[in-house]
Order: sequence, then C-alpha cells, then structure tokens
Amino acid sequence: SQTIHQWPATLVQPVGSPLSLECTVEGTSNPNLYWYRQAAGRGLQLLFYSVGIGQISSEVPQNLSASRPQDRQFILSSKKLLLSDSGFYLCAWKGTGETQYFGPGTRLLVL
Amino acid sequence: SQQGEEDPQALSIQEGENATMNCSYKTSINNLQWYRQNSGRGLVHLILIRSNEREKHSGRLRVTLDTSKKSSSLLITASRAADTASYFCATDFDSWGKLQFGAGTQVVVTP
Repeated sequence: SQTIHQWPATLVQPVGSPLSLECTVEGTSNPNLYWYRQAAGRGLQLLFYSVGIGQISSEVPQNLSASRPQDRQFILSSKKLLLSDSGFYLCAWKGTGETQYFGPGTRLLVL
Repeated sequence: SQQGEEDPQALSIQEGENATMNCSYKTSINNLQWYRQNSGRGLVHLILIRSNEREKHSGRLRVTLDTSKKSSSLLITASRAADTASYFCATDFDSWGKLQFGAGTQVVVTP
C-alpha cells in the first residue's frame, strides 16, 4: 500500500534562515506531487505541483521554491524565511486515479 | 484564490443528529472531493464524486452534486463525537489534478 511521509513534523525558525521540508512517497511510481499551505483556520492553497522528476510548476509567486530530485521525493525550500511563511505545509500525491492523498503535514513557525 | 466556499463555517450538533454542509464553486470541474481534517493533522480523503454523478454514498456519508448550480453537499448521518473535525470540499478542475479548496466547515459533535 502507498504511504506518504513528511518531515519534520514541527519546525521553529528565525526570520532570514533557510528552509528545507521533505516529502517522500512509498508504494507507487511516477506520482503527481503537490505542495499546499494552510493558514490558520483556512483552506489549503496550492503552492507547487510536479508531474515528473525535475518538473516543477509554481502556482503563486512567493518566497519559496520546490524541487523533485527523485521520482518519489518532493522538497520545499527557501533561502530566507519571512514571517508570512508561517503555516501548515501539506504534501500530497496522486497516481493514475483521481484521488489525491495527503501527508501528515509540517507546522512551520517563523519568529 | 479559493474556488470553493463552504456553508456553514461552523456547525455544532448532538451525537445521533445529522450534519449537513454545503460547498459552492465557480468553474467547471472534473470531480469534487471531500476531506476531513482533525485538529492539527493532515487531510483524510472521504469521498469523490465525478462531474457526471449526482449522488454517492459511503457508509454514513452522502454526497450530492448539482453541476447546474455548481454546488455540492455532504451529509453525515447519525453523527458521533469522533466526527468532530473540519470538513473541506476540493474541486479538481484541470488535467493536472490540482485541487482548489474551500475554507472548510468546522463540525463539533457533543456527546
């Protein structure tokens, strides 16, 4: 069966520091991968998606970037964090079916 | 921007009662998916309804879709305290599987 992992689960970082969040999927090949951000009490906003290794599409202009160095690995990065980058970051995958499955999320607090 | 809008924003009911929440969207869709999120956790997929379907059932869940009105509803019958969570609708509107989420309905079920 397929599983999706995210780490770290929680992160507290100072403004201006770099960021690297990792997402890995097991049990499937060539999935579509997605990064979403959820602000407190809100729905999810799509940040990036990827349909293959090295293929990244950005949905909103921002301080973040994404990379897909391996088929089942998706990384969210920033060179210098802003206060507004705080939030709950969720990774998701979709195979050949229609359903999108989400990871447990990373809670980021920028101080 | 969020395509979906959910109504009500919050719902408080007693165990055993039914809970109904609605979702409206703006553009044509491939499918509409409902997710549950327990506080501080990732999203759990509940049910998917395709654009050519009008109603689907899964256990105590019933989803309807009216594409002419661009709206969907989720009914949870015989609610339990464990149903306490936020519920989100998400629309799949393009060929990449990207989802647009509503702001969610927060449901509290009291014993």
